[in-house]
Amino acid sequence: DVKVTQSSRYLVKRTGEKVFLECVQDMDHENMFWYRQDPGLGLRLIYFSYDVKMKEKGDIPEGYSVSREKKERFSLILESASTNQTSMYLCASSLDGLYEQYFGPGTRLTVT
Amino acid sequence: AQKVTQAQTEISVVEKEDVTLDCVYETRDTTYYLFWYKQPPSGELVFLIRRNSFDEQNEISGRYSWNFQKSTSSFNFTITASQVVDSAVYFCALIHYGGSQGNLIFGKGTKLSVKP
Repeated sequence: DVKVTQSSRYLVKRTGEKVFLECVQDMDHENMFWYRQDPGLGLRLIYFSYDVKMKEKGDIPEGYSVSREKKERFSLILESASTNQTSMYLCASSLDGLYEQYFGPGTRLTVT
Repeated sequence: AQKVTQAQTEISVVEKEDVTLDCVYETRDTTYYLFWYKQPPSGELVFLIRRNSFDEQNEISGRYSWNFQKSTSSFNFTITASQVVDSAVYFCALIHYGGSQGNLIFGKGTKLSVKP
């Protein structure tokens, strides 16, 4: 069975903290993605990676960075969290660029 | 430019009713892929179906069916005899061949509420 896991379901952080969101997939997928989901704005792509150590900016990369040191793990980093980064963060993976993406359960991040 | 439009923001039906969720897409490409996802209240997006632009055959899976019509750029999703467990937000999405690796373009979603 396809499995994408995220390190936390709920996270509360303070403004200015450095935040790490971890995502792991066990399907040997090439591509991994980070989205954020906000009411009225839908899903927006932050970053994606199509290979280890490779990364591409999505639609809203500002304020975020990513790391992919191993094929199965893709981390999203908020260098200095701000209140406007309060959101639901969704990780996904896919076999390659034209196949369906499988999503993790999401991390609801609150920055106070 | 690629775009996916789900004009129905919210739909409410009573259990056992049939319901159709509309999806209209825009793309200049001849090769592309369309998807439907379900997001139940728990939050996790669940993949339902993937269709390529060369396959216009309708698909049926249990109570779910999909109608793909290139002539109207639509990929509609019908739930027959709806159940309370079908309550969720449903997203239609598009990937165009040759674009960024796997950059899914999502519609804004349709929230379906099925009442007992």
